[in-house]
Amino acid sequence: QQPVQSPQAVILREGEDAVINCSSSKALYSVHWYRQKHGEAPVFLMILLKGGEQKGHEKISASFNEKKQQSSLYLTASQLSYSGTYFCGTEKTSYDKVIFGPGTSLSVIP
Amino acid sequence: GAVVSQHPSWVICKSGTSVKIECRSLDFQATTMFWYRQFPKQSLMLMATSNEGSKATYEQGVEKDKFLINHASLTLSTLTVTSAHPEDSSFYICSARGPGTTYEQYFGPGTRLTVT
Repeated sequence: QQPVQSPQAVILREGEDAVINCSSSKALYSVHWYRQKHGEAPVFLMILLKGGEQKGHEKISASFNEKKQQSSLYLTASQLSYSGTYFCGTEKTSYDKVIFGPGTSLSVIP
Repeated sequence: GAVVSQHPSWVICKSGTSVKIECRSLDFQATTMFWYRQFPKQSLMLMATSNEGSKATYEQGVEKDKFLINHASLTLSTLTVTSAHPEDSSFYICSARGPGTTYEQYFGPGTRLTVT
């Protein structure tokens, strides 16, 4: 079952912060986050495993609340290069197939 | 890092013909590869899971006889779109689970198929 993402789209000015949410009605083992730019393949950002962990590098971080079956991606001090469509993908079990959400279009403007 | 390639990057074919798309893991062995289809401004729709040396597992609604998947080696999976029709025009992307015990998937650059 496809996870739900919100918002569908967001426009930011450089330096602003954004949060993208991903939720599922099923119990999850992991949540993956990818960014895709127009006409290109998705690029892996990070994965969060069951255990309620948080991860981050530089100005992009994420959290996973397994009890609520929700994950959030945090982008701080956004840069123009952050523009693209962000997909979360969920797995129900370890090494399972990944089902992707509908995506969140993020545009960063000067 | 883990690199996945796809060939061709784009293809135009006539209705009724077949097209083969190759997906290769260049610097690691991939026992499992995935094939996705993506329409403009839409999400990645999983078509099938390809396991080396065994039959592919297709998602509900995906025609096995139309989309033939072969995973003949640990570095190569192929998707053949048989008797292609204009509605098969799409962006096809493969991915491979990373080397070792990593969970992340690495995506190929995708193949743009246009059926005329």
